[in-house]
Amino acid sequence: EAQVTQNPRYLITVTGKKLTVTCSQNMNHEYMSWYRQDPGLGLRQIYYSMNVEVTDKGDVPEGYKVSRKEKRNFPLILESPSPNQTSLYFCASSFRPGLDYEQYFGPGTRLTVT
Amino acid sequence: SQQGEEDPQALSIQEGENATMNCSYKTSINNLQWYRQNSGRGLVHLILIRSNEREKHSGRLRVTLDTSKKSSSLLITASRAADTASYFCATDPNSGGSNYKLTFGKGTLLTVNP
Repeated sequence: EAQVTQNPRYLITVTGKKLTVTCSQNMNHEYMSWYRQDPGLGLRQIYYSMNVEVTDKGDVPEGYKVSRKEKRNFPLILESPSPNQTSLYFCASSFRPGLDYEQYFGPGTRLTVT
Repeated sequence: SQQGEEDPQALSIQEGENATMNCSYKTSINNLQWYRQNSGRGLVHLILIRSNEREKHSGRLRVTLDTSKKSSSLLITASRAADTASYFCATDPNSGGSNYKLTFGKGTLLTVNP
């Protein structure tokens, strides 16, 4: 089954404790991205990757890191999480960059930073 | 700032009625897509409309695009309780370069009452 998986689905952590949210897709997609969703602010893009070893900042990259060492994986790293990073996070992928192709979304990761 | 903005923020209708949601954007675009999100879950692609298209249909969905007004509308006909969800438009601003940032609006929350 074609899908985007994220782990963990739920995470409660404390300020400053490094964490990684994994994202994996099995569709051989080139484009992958991370979003955060907050009430009243909608969905905002954090980082995106157009292919292996090619990443770029979205609209809200501060406090996040990403890497794309393999085509299928695109982990999101929070080196020193803070409470303002409490949010619902989504990973998405598409065959190619841009909106010529539909985005496939993962199920989401609900992160709480205390 | 948000590129796409949906209107209204919330819409409540009775089953069988039509629902219309609008999306306005600020800069020229290549494509525009509509997505649905059931509460707390990942977004699901509904329909893509290209900048050179004016109207597109998919089942009970009808999407229009007016590039002169920088706006799009999503019409759901004969709505069902299962259509209850948030609906988002996504755009890829035509920056003329290799920028593949995607921008989502804040969404319209549609409630269809049985």
